[in-house]
Amino acid sequence: SYELSQPPSVSVSPGQTATIICSGHELESKYVCWYQQKAGQSPIIVVYKDSRRPSGIPERFSGSNSGNTATLTISGTQAADEADYYCQVWDSTTIVFGGGTRLTVL
Amino acid sequence: QIKLQESGPGLVRPSETLSLTCTVSGVSIDSKDHFWGWVRQPPGKGLEWIGTFYYRGRIYYNPSLKSRLTISVDTSISQLSLTLRSVTAADTATYYCARHFPVSSDSYPSWFDPWGQGTQVTVSS
Repeated sequence: SYELSQPPSVSVSPGQTATIICSGHELESKYVCWYQQKAGQSPIIVVYKDSRRPSGIPERFSGSNSGNTATLTISGTQAADEADYYCQVWDSTTIVFGGGTRLTVL
Repeated sequence: QIKLQESGPGLVRPSETLSLTCTVSGVSIDSKDHFWGWVRQPPGKGLEWIGTFYYRGRIYYNPSLKSRLTISVDTSISQLSLTLRSVTAADTATYYCARHFPVSSDSYPSWFDPWGQGTQVTVSS
């Protein structure tokens, strides 16, 4: 079965750029999406189809996908961005989530 | 405004059957433009996909749950249902329903948006 790997945690200072990676075999051949989940809340989509941003999501959120790695980049990180982030793909006939990355804004 | 509301028993005994419903408002549940899915999250852990339903009868199940799982849709009351049989403590989780968008028209499901608020289920005697 297909697997996605994410670092358990990432720390960033306010105003700096946060980079969260998601790794999988030949990941660039799949569409990756990213979710943000704040404590006690339901996930929300922040990037879909590798790099598209839904309406209402700040421009500081961006995504890319190349080779075996997809990246969620948060520019000018704010305290409000502190959350768990999950990548997700469709593989064959299943949905696969990464294990999640906790972003801490120090 | 689209809204999804999950409902369920809260507590289920081991070996029994878990039944959840998700009531959808603000969008037609039998639209050909999207799927409907279930995702769960054990306490303190990550997201796990359960299954996805398309009104034309296309259903995708997580292989690890498939033998115990049934997902269906009742378009007359705009409700998505989940039935999970022979539950154990490992099935304790918050269960979410969500609209599931295809990559393109008549293609495979991709991203979930929006999600319901979730319903917590505990399996315990």
